[in-house]
Amino acid sequence: EVQLVESGGHLVQPGGSLRLSCSGSGFTFSSYSMHWVRQAPGKGLEYVSAISNNGGRAYYADSAKGRFTISRDNSKNIVFLQMRSLRAEDTAIYYCAKGRLVLPAAMDYWGQGTLVTVSS
Amino acid sequence: DIQMTQSPSTLSASVGDRVTITCRASQNVSTWLAWYQQKAGKAPKLLIYKASSLESGVPSRFSGSGSGTEFTLTISSLQPDDFATYYCQQYAGTFGQGTKVEIK
Repeated sequence: EVQLVESGGHLVQPGGSLRLSCSGSGFTFSSYSMHWVRQAPGKGLEYVSAISNNGGRAYYADSAKGRFTISRDNSKNIVFLQMRSLRAEDTAIYYCAKGRLVLPAAMDYWGQGTLVTVSS
Repeated sequence: DIQMTQSPSTLSASVGDRVTITCRASQNVSTWLAWYQQKAGKAPKLLIYKASSLESGVPSRFSGSGSGTEFTLTISSLQPDDFATYYCQQYAGTFGQGTKVEIK
């Protein structure tokens, strides 16, 4: 059974940093792209970032460029999202998702999400 | 950036109705389009990939069509479990704003 479990979300002050983690199991982690999608309270889905199966390519939404960094450790089946210079508008549930294939890809399995709150 | 526009934003329908949701892309995305269903408090669920391919385990009443810049998601006979919000997404990232399917 495919499982994705996010962690690392919590309350952080504006301008602060946070690293989210997503641990995958039940599939060959190194064969698939991995993605981060967020959802602000009461709002729609917003694509944040993606990384290719071997970590060689990364994509970022404009809102994430220059502030967020996606990475992965295929030896540990974990994907990370390092977030810096956080703003109030980054407050959201952050979902980790597995790509159906290598990039570009639809996302066929999702974690339960981790809540990031940016507030003073 | 490619913009994705869904219509309608809200749709009121009854059990058994045929429902169609439209998604338009600001640029040609070929068939690199997916549809997701999201229920309140839950993670999204993939329904359709590559514009018209049904994800494993998804009921056959869901179907997708289109290519280029115009796409549709159709539910042939709406069931109680289908009341949710639906999103289109072009593979390079952008989601549509969502269509909420409500009980009429």
